[in-house]
Amino acid sequence: EVQLVESGGGLVQPGGSLRLSCAASGFTVSSNYMSWVRQAPGKGLEWVSVIYSGGSTYFADSVKGRFSISRDNSRNTLFLQMNSLRAEDTAVYFCARGEVGDRGLAAFDIWGQGTMVTVSS
Amino acid sequence: DIQMTQSPSTLSASIGDRVTITCRASQSLSSWLAWYQQKPGKAPKLLIYKASTLESGVPSRFSGSGSGTEFTLTISSLQPDDFASYYCQQYNYYPLTFGPGTKVDIK
Repeated sequence: EVQLVESGGGLVQPGGSLRLSCAASGFTVSSNYMSWVRQAPGKGLEWVSVIYSGGSTYFADSVKGRFSISRDNSRNTLFLQMNSLRAEDTAVYFCARGEVGDRGLAAFDIWGQGTMVTVSS
Repeated sequence: DIQMTQSPSTLSASIGDRVTITCRASQSLSSWLAWYQQKPGKAPKLLIYKASTLESGVPSRFSGSGSGTEFTLTISSLQPDDFASYYCQQYNYYPLTFGPGTKVDIK
């Protein structure tokens, strides 16, 4: 079964760090376009970051310089390292697999269940 | 950044109704537009990609149309399982952006 399972969320103080994990099954993370998308409580969806199969990465301006995306091929797992966290980073974080179009960007066909990150003192 | 708008923001409908949601983009997307359904506490589910291509396993009562800057999602006959929020997403430019959502509730 094709599946994504996130973990690593929790309560962190402003300025702190957290690393989210997303374990994949049924497909290979390193061969796919993989992203993080977040959703603040009661709000809409916000794209956060992507890593291409070739290793290229992109970030939303709101997290650039604070977040990094990576993967561990041996564990078939995607990561999001979040540093210098702010209250406005509070959200459910989803990992998602992209179905890449001709332009090289993607719609998301497989999503994890999400992990909640709360940034508060 | 590409700004996405959706209308209406909330839609009250009855079982069997035909429902149409509109998504507009601030710049042309060609056909690089996706639609998602999301239920409370759940992850989004891909319904339509490339503006009009139905994702595998999605019921045929869902359809998408449009190109450029204006797109529509249509549910031909609303079913109980369809009460949810719906989001459009453009994937023609970075940053990828989503519409603000349309909540479909029971009239």
